[in-house]
Amino acid sequence: QQQVKQSPQSLIVQKGGISIINCAYENTAFDYFPWYQQFPGKGPALLIAIRPDVSEKKEGRFTISFNKSAKQFSLHIMDSQPGDSATYFCAASSLWSGGGADGLTFGKGTHLIIQP
Amino acid sequence: AAGVIQSPRHLIKEKRETATLKCYPIPRHDTVYWYQQGPGQDPQFLISFYEKMQSDKGSIPDRFSAQQFSDYHSELNMSSLELGDSALYFCASSLGLGSADQPQHFGDGTRLSIL
Repeated sequence: QQQVKQSPQSLIVQKGGISIINCAYENTAFDYFPWYQQFPGKGPALLIAIRPDVSEKKEGRFTISFNKSAKQFSLHIMDSQPGDSATYFCAASSLWSGGGADGLTFGKGTHLIIQP
Repeated sequence: AAGVIQSPRHLIKEKRETATLKCYPIPRHDTVYWYQQGPGQDPQFLISFYEKMQSDKGSIPDRFSAQQFSDYHSELNMSSLELGDSALYFCASSLGLGSADQPQHFGDGTRLSIL
């Protein structure tokens, strides 16, 4: 059972457009939701993260929207650039309720291509 | 800034052999995590250590073991290797038990190929 469901699997956006990736989770114990960006041959790099007591967080061109009642969260990339072409993973963990160094549960990933 | 260092970057083994992967966390980070990423897949959490003690356990096979040493580096030991163990293995580190202010930082992984 995939505890974090991510869509779409792949996405093509024109340069300057908005890229939107969605995730939904099942486990109500999750209380930390990061997004990671991964380039081929590299490890995942943290982009932005949110806690469930906040409905939106913005850092530069990246925005997370969080809907606790629907158990959904999304990543918006504004003014998308060719350099943003990568695989994006949403993730979740129980930082405060787990009591330990909890591992992240990842979505399946979205392969994003920004066309010039 | 210093990042998570993993060695080796590439490793080729045959079935039934053993392998040891090493992870050196970011300086002052006391928590390490191990993940396995198959081709085209998402990273799967294996195990984590905080202050040299096992903290959380994921889908780590019984053939694998890991430990964290006094200098906080960690090693993942893999025995009786199978073709299905071919994957990228990532180590991540954080300060403390992880938090919104102290997230997990990933290394660039070890690519393990089983022939």
